[in-house]
Amino acid sequence: EGQLLESGGGVVQPGGSLRLSCAASGFTFSTYAMSWVRQTPGKGLEWVSVISNSGGRTFYADSVKGRFTISRDNSKNTLYLQMNSLRVEDTAVYYCATVNQLLMYYFGKWGQGTLVTVSS
Amino acid sequence: SYVLTQPPSLSVAPGKTARITCGGNNIGTKSVHWYQQRPGQAPVLVICYDSDRPSGIPERFSGSNSGNTATLTISRVEAGDEADYYCQVWDNISNYPVFGGGSKLTVL
Repeated sequence: EGQLLESGGGVVQPGGSLRLSCAASGFTFSTYAMSWVRQTPGKGLEWVSVISNSGGRTFYADSVKGRFTISRDNSKNTLYLQMNSLRVEDTAVYYCATVNQLLMYYFGKWGQGTLVTVSS
Repeated sequence: SYVLTQPPSLSVAPGKTARITCGGNNIGTKSVHWYQQRPGQAPVLVICYDSDRPSGIPERFSGSNSGNTATLTISRVEAGDEADYYCQVWDNISNYPVFGGGSKLTVL
């Protein structure tokens, strides 16, 4: 079935940076496009970013474009999200998830999430 | 961006049928996916492409989509079905996925 395990969340001040990781196991990571989705109490679920299985194509939500960078290392079965210039409104639980294709997709498998809190 | 509207909450007695709606402009022309999120857990895909059930999802879960409303139907509701349910579609204008606000199902 496979498993996704996020890490790297924590408390950071506005303007700071954080890198999230998502370790995959139990499935062929390199064959899946991967995505980050975040969840806040006030705004529910919000898609953040997606990356192709090879890492060659990436897409971002307007709310994070230019500040966040998605990447992956298929040799380590790991997905990353580098978050810079963090804002209070970036506070959320961040989930990594598999997607079935690069466009018009659904989220097949989700990790348990990691909490990011941006606060002074 | 494309807006999906879900009822914030609904309550159903055990053994009865729950119908959770997801409204959107001509949503019947889109593919709708549904996720279940139990308290303190990650979302789980329960329906994809309007009415397909992923492996391991009980037959009690079904979906339909027509006109301006998509519906997730849960038959013979059990206590373990108590969760938040989210619909999701692809927004062809912004070119990314969007979620409904979620519906909290309470089993009485």
